Amino acid sequence: AQTVTQSQPEMSVQEAETVTLSCTYDTSENNYYLFWYKQPPSRQMILVIRQEAYKQQNATENRFSVNFQKAAKSFSLKISDSQLGDTAMYFCAFINLTGANSKLTFGKGITLSVRP
Amino acid sequence: DTEVTQTPKHLVMGMTNKKSLKCEQHMGHRAMYWYKQKAKKPPELMFVYSYEKLSINESVPSRFSPECPNSSLLNLHLHALQPEDSALYLCASSVTPRDGYTFGSGTRLTVV
Repeated sequence: AQTVTQSQPEMSVQEAETVTLSCTYDTSENNYYLFWYKQPPSRQMILVIRQEAYKQQNATENRFSVNFQKAAKSFSLKISDSQLGDTAMYFCAFINLTGANSKLTFGKGITLSVRP
Repeated sequence: DTEVTQTPKHLVMGMTNKKSLKCEQHMGHRAMYWYKQKAKKPPELMFVYSYEKLSINESVPSRFSPECPNSSLLNLHLHALQPEDSALYLCASSVTPRDGYTFGSGTRLTVV
């Protein structure tokens, strides 16, 4: 079974600064994807960024980038130039592509507040 | 159309009522999912449909009954719910799991 751990329940950052959200996971599989989802107060879960386990290059989407350390099973999210609209709950998620019934496993989430 | 649309947005129902939640997508996604989410918690998987067939039921009580009438539509029928079933119910869809899921904005359900 796989697990996803987000050990920080809350973080706060000043607008325009950089913040890093931590995530670790545990799996014995090799074929998997990792995701970061954002859930603002509007409730909708929004896919922020994804990383394929086989790719060594860290994924980047505009102000969002990841630091994927496969050996350490670590997948942190860096948000640069934080904006007020980044205030949300962020979930790290994992999906194993081995086997017929793949399921997305979420971490407990972290509440990020961006201060003006 | 790149959205998953859920209706209603809010629902209040009594413990003896029967109601349904609806989820619709027109992206051609062949996998659809129902999740339950309590406040400040991660979503919990309830059901997975793949090509209109139920492929995963996460031991959900029978008072929740999913239905997938066609490739664009997913329903969740509710009957004799308990107050602890009050939660945000999220629907999602995907082309393949590696692409990530597209979520709707959910139905906020309150059981009184």
